[in-house]
Formats: sequence, C-alpha cells, structure tokens
Amino acid sequence: KAGVTQTPRYLIKTRGQQVTLSCSPISGHRSVSWYQQTPGQGLQFLFEYFSETQRNKGNFPGRFSGRQFSNSRSEMNVSTLELGDSALYLCASSLVTRPPDTQYFGPGTRLTVL
Amino acid sequence: AQKVTQAQTEISVVEKEDVTLDCVYETRDTTYYLFWYKQPPSGELVFLIRRNSFDEQNEISGRYSWNFQKSTSSFNFTITASQVVDSAVYFCALSEETSGSRLTFGEGTQLTVNP
Repeated sequence: KAGVTQTPRYLIKTRGQQVTLSCSPISGHRSVSWYQQTPGQGLQFLFEYFSETQRNKGNFPGRFSGRQFSNSRSEMNVSTLELGDSALYLCASSLVTRPPDTQYFGPGTRLTVL
Repeated sequence: AQKVTQAQTEISVVEKEDVTLDCVYETRDTTYYLFWYKQPPSGELVFLIRRNSFDEQNEISGRYSWNFQKSTSSFNFTITASQVVDSAVYFCALSEETSGSRLTFGEGTQLTVNP
C-alpha cells in the first residue's frame, strides 16, 4: 500500500506570496492532519480533517487554512507569507479520528520564505 | 492542557550500547494514547508504537522496548544493542480522546550512535 504523499517536496517563496501544499493520504484513510515543524517551536498541530470537515484546529493565525476533498486528499494554504513560516510541513493520515488513531506521516514539504 | 516532555535533547552512544529515551507526559483525560515516532535525516516521521492509557503492559519488539508507567506519567523507550542506523530524532507524543487524533509532541531527542 502506498504511503502518504506530499507535493511539492520543496518550495521557495518570498514574503507576501501565498502557497498551497498538497497531501494524498494512504488509501482508505479518511482523516488528514497537518503539522508544522520548526527548530524553535518543534512540531505543532495545524488542523485535522475528516470527511471533508475540519474537526480540530491548532493555534495558528487565519492565514493558515486547509480543506479536504471527497477523495480524502487535502490541501493547506498559507497566505501573505512571513519569514517565520519557513518550516517543514508534515501531513499525516489515519483511518479515523475518534478514538485517536495512529497517524502515518508523509515526507513533508520544506517551505523556505525569503 | 496536555504536555509532553523529553528532557534529553541529545544522546550520544557507541554502537552496541543500550540507550533509554525518557518521556514524561501531562494530561487531565483518563483515556489517552501515547506514541513514539522516529525522524531520520530524510524528515519523514516513522511510527514506532501506540499505547492506550488502559494498557500498561510493557512491550518488546526486536531491539526496541517500551516501559509505560502511569504512576509516574512516563513512557520510556529503550533500544538494546544500538546500531548506527538507529541514529535519528525520536519523538514521544500524546493524543487525548477528547482531542481526536491531534498529537502533542515532545521536543524530541537526537540520538547519535557512533561506530
């Protein structure tokens, strides 16, 4: 079974631009979560989707948004990029969200904001 | 609020040594789940183990073993006879039943196994 895939793997943007990251979950998984990883803040939860509905959201500004499609694929968008948004963005998928299920992670998208 | 603490930022050992990675957690939920993930230099988080709060039985998988103690809110991870390929950052994480699959991660422990 194929794992979680994320595209693109690397991105370079400039401040003020916006970016869209894509995530395809493991086949059959209906839940997708996103995390941001930075050297200073570590791994932080962004949001969680299940059946096209956002079920949970972390403490991030409204510039960070996401959505999930009917095929469970998910995208996250960051508008008006700031230097501090440079990070590794990890997507994870699981079968269900409740009870908490094991999340399997993709390789990540490394975003650099100049 | 939930919290996970990995007090060991970096550990360096010589191959074949045993090493234990510590994890202490805080939660108000009675039902919760604990996880360990490995992050090699490639960046992908690799799932190692999941335990729920009602199952305190220790687990062994090959060279890996986990010690879960609710009395001390700890979920420690031991690698026996470490190998160079074990070098990675290891994360302990917590998920509460009331928070869905949302994971709260510890700061991570960088393990370096030298030949």
